Amino acid sequence: GAGVSQSPSNKVTEKGKDVELRCDPISGHTALYWYRQSLGQGLEFLIYFQGNSAPDKSGLPSDRFSAERTGGSVSTLTIQRTQQEDSAVYLCASSLTSGRASEQFFGPGTRLTVL
Amino acid sequence: AQSVAQPEDQVNVAEGNPLTVKCTYSVSGNPYLFWYVQYPNRGLQFLLKYITGDNLVKGSYGFEAEFNKSQTSFHLKKPSALVSDSALYFCAVRVLYGNNRLAFGKGNQVVVIP
Repeated sequence: GAGVSQSPSNKVTEKGKDVELRCDPISGHTALYWYRQSLGQGLEFLIYFQGNSAPDKSGLPSDRFSAERTGGSVSTLTIQRTQQEDSAVYLCASSLTSGRASEQFFGPGTRLTVL
Repeated sequence: AQSVAQPEDQVNVAEGNPLTVKCTYSVSGNPYLFWYVQYPNRGLQFLLKYITGDNLVKGSYGFEAEFNKSQTSFHLKKPSALVSDSALYFCAVRVLYGNNRLAFGKGNQVVVIP
C-alpha cells in the first residue's frame, strides 16, 4: 500500500520568501507529526495533529512557522519569510493512532535550501 | 523528561561481522523504545520497537535489539552485517505526555566495509 508521501522532494528558495511543504499521510492514520532534521540538531519535533483536535504546536521554532491539516488527512507546513537557518530536511510522519505503542511511518522528506 | 543517547558518531564494521549500535535511555516510568534506519535521501524506516514483554525484540532486515532495564540500554544488533546495512540509525523513545511524540537520539552512521 501507499506510504507517506511528501512534496516537493527538494525546494530551493531565496531568503525572505514563503514556502509550503505538503504531506499526504497513510490513509486511515489519525495522528500526523512534522519533524525537522538538520545538521548538528538531529531530529526535532515541530507540530502534531490528532484527528480533529487542536494541533500541538509546542515544537514550532518561531511564529514564521505554521501548519494545517485539512479534513483530517493532508497537511501543509508553511514557513513565512524564510531564513537561512530554516534550511533542513522536513519530515512528516503518520501513525494509526496516537497511542504510545503505535509506530510512526515517515515520508521521504522535503529538503529545503534557503539561499 | 524522556530522552535517548547514542554515544558513538560512527560505527565501522567489516561485512559478515556482528554489528552493534548503542543506545541508552532516560525515562520516568516504562519506556517505549524504537529503532529507525535512514538510507541516503530517504525517510526513516521503522525497524523494531520495545513496549513490554520479552527483552529481545526482533525486527526487520535481520535486526534485533535487547532491552536491558538495569543498564537502561536498548542496543541494536545484527549477527552478520551486510554492505547494504550502511545507513544512519536512530534510536527513539516515546515522550509519555501530551502528544506522545518521539524523542530521537542524534543518530549513528554505520559503515559496513566490504
